Amino acid sequence: RKEVEQDPGPFNVPEGATVAFNCTYSNSASQSFFWYRQDCRKEPKLLMSVYSSGNEDGRFTAQLNRASQYISLLIRDSKLSDSATYLCVVGGGSQGNLIFGKGTKLSVKP
Amino acid sequence: NAGVTQTPKFRILKIGQSMTLQCTQDMNHNYMYWYRQDPGMGLKLIYYSVGAGITDKGEVPNGYNVSRSTTEDFPLRLELAAPSQTSVYFCASSPRGDWGGYTFGSGTRLTVV
Repeated sequence: RKEVEQDPGPFNVPEGATVAFNCTYSNSASQSFFWYRQDCRKEPKLLMSVYSSGNEDGRFTAQLNRASQYISLLIRDSKLSDSATYLCVVGGGSQGNLIFGKGTKLSVKP
Repeated sequence: NAGVTQTPKFRILKIGQSMTLQCTQDMNHNYMYWYRQDPGMGLKLIYYSVGAGITDKGEVPNGYNVSRSTTEDFPLRLELAAPSQTSVYFCASSPRGDWGGYTFGSGTRLTVV
């Protein structure tokens, strides 16, 4: 299993749609989890941390299932400005670093 | 508050040339990282540092070198550039290693011809 695996997409959705991204990770000892957003030709930016209890930030909800080593991100009421690549990120790399998935591309259309 | 500043933003190198990618952060973060990102691929760790004077190799260190003489600066040196080093390079810093989110610089797009 790859360290962090994501569906590459692209996900093409209309404005107002709800879209869900999934991610699996291989290191059962990982203790930190994040979703990052990366716009085209820009640097990754932290979207939200992911906690075992699940957490919500406005239209964004993140869930973590440690038993299944699975992370999800739900975006409700999609906006044009949500178009970007979403990176699933997991801590506990062999150098104590974050491991980045390849990302899932989202395109929100009018 | 500038965050993480990388220079240059773009560079074209000829095979065999050398250059230094600069990275400076003003957040007093101990942890700093260099990643490369190839098209359609995830970020790969090149080198990292847990504090001034301490550096270590990541998963793809060959052809690169780093130094960390101050908390603020973490330059990445490319010696004898090769086409395989064509990539986008990101510097990042963190206050708590992999327990905290990373702040990234805006990146350096390097082409080796």
